Amino acid sequence: EIVLTQSPATLSLSPGKRATLSCRASQSVSSYLAWYQQKPGQAPRLLIYDASNRATGIPARFSGSGSGTDFTLTISSLEPEDSAVYYCQQRSNWPTFGGGTKVEIK
Amino acid sequence: QVQLVQSGAEVKKPESSVKVSCKASGGTFSSYAISWVRQAPGQGLEWIGGIIPIFGTTNYAQKFQGRVTITADESTSTAYMELSSLRSEDTAVYYCARGHYGILTDTFDIWGQGTMVTVSS
Repeated sequence: EIVLTQSPATLSLSPGKRATLSCRASQSVSSYLAWYQQKPGQAPRLLIYDASNRATGIPARFSGSGSGTDFTLTISSLEPEDSAVYYCQQRSNWPTFGGGTKVEIK
Repeated sequence: QVQLVQSGAEVKKPESSVKVSCKASGGTFSSYAISWVRQAPGQGLEWIGGIIPIFGTTNYAQKFQGRVTITADESTSTAYMELSSLRSEDTAVYYCARGHYGILTDTFDIWGQGTMVTVSS
């Protein structure tokens, strides 16, 4: 099983700031990594697939990068509605998810 | 646009089984993979397994093998997940999700609303 480790556990930033979230895989997943946003009481929402492709309808302030074992989700300018938990997920092998990063807007 | 609508909340006794449904509407069902993912209260996401309805191909996470069965009925565009020998640790929200590429090792682009399953004596 491929283990995904996300950091930091919590990120607290002011609106307009840049958020950088990390996801590290226990072995190479090539570019087969996705990012999801989940708000309380809601299902996850796909943001980024295959490391750097924005899903349909996702604002341009969300971007993804990386390959192999190290990946980053960047939110270029935080909006209040970006307050959520963000998960990474690999599909190189049977799907696994990271433990999540909670983004708080000050 | 495809939507996935799941069945309602369930309360089950330990050692019993639960069967959750996931009905697709507004688009093609059979050519995509449907996976099941669960989330225990306050916890992260865990893949249970999936099915490609057009082929009937399934695969399950090792943790759930022997206890889970995923099926699909193409005539009603509905997928099912049955989990047996329930224990308290199975208390969670269960989601169905559509695979973006139509394979079992996939990215999930459309999600159901979730079904809360509570296991309690």
